[in-house]
Amino acid sequence: DQQVKQNSPSLSVQEGRISILNCDYTNSMFDYFLWYKKYPAEGPTFLISISSIKDKNEDGRFTVFLNKSAKHLSLHIVPSQPGDSAVYFCAATFGLTHFETGNKLTFGGGTRVLVKP
Amino acid sequence: ETGVTQSPTHLIKTRGQQVTLRCSSQSGHNTVSWYQQALGQGPQFIFQYYREEENGRGNFPPRFSGLQFPNYSSELNVNALELDDSALYLCASSSGPRGYEQYFGPGTRLTVT
Repeated sequence: DQQVKQNSPSLSVQEGRISILNCDYTNSMFDYFLWYKKYPAEGPTFLISISSIKDKNEDGRFTVFLNKSAKHLSLHIVPSQPGDSAVYFCAATFGLTHFETGNKLTFGGGTRVLVKP
Repeated sequence: ETGVTQSPTHLIKTRGQQVTLRCSSQSGHNTVSWYQQALGQGPQFIFQYYREEENGRGNFPPRFSGLQFPNYSSELNVNALELDDSALYLCASSSGPRGYEQYFGPGTRLTVT
């Protein structure tokens, strides 16, 4: 049972254009969502997060949107740069309300982004 | 500030053997979580340690066990290795069990033959 899904395994975009990565979840108890970027031979690097009380969070070129009713979140990267080429994972947790079980992150399967110069 | 480190980088073991993987948390972080990432998949939560005690566990059998030490470093032990245990093992640290942003180490690539 995959509770977090990234339905696009790959995405190719031209440098300077917008990259849009999508993520769907099924567990309505999730109340905090994160995006990580992963380069080969490195661990995932935290990018940006959003709690369920917000619908948008921005940090520089990265913006995450959350649509709770649709159980959908997306990551926008504007403008895309060649250094953004990596695998992106969305993750979800219900840490805000279930702290006694620890902060378990549930990850999607990842989307490989290629930014062409 | 020192990031999360893991050792060894790569490891090859034979089915049935036992393995110990090590992790040093980022300075100031007292919580360590372990994840298994199979090829082409996202990381899967194994368990979390906070103040030297297990604080949450994923859907992994008891042959996966761990420890956390007073300096917050951690070990992951896997007994009776199976071929399906071949994966990248990631350690992540955070400031408390409610530290939602977890910071990952580079991982240990385990191959079971």
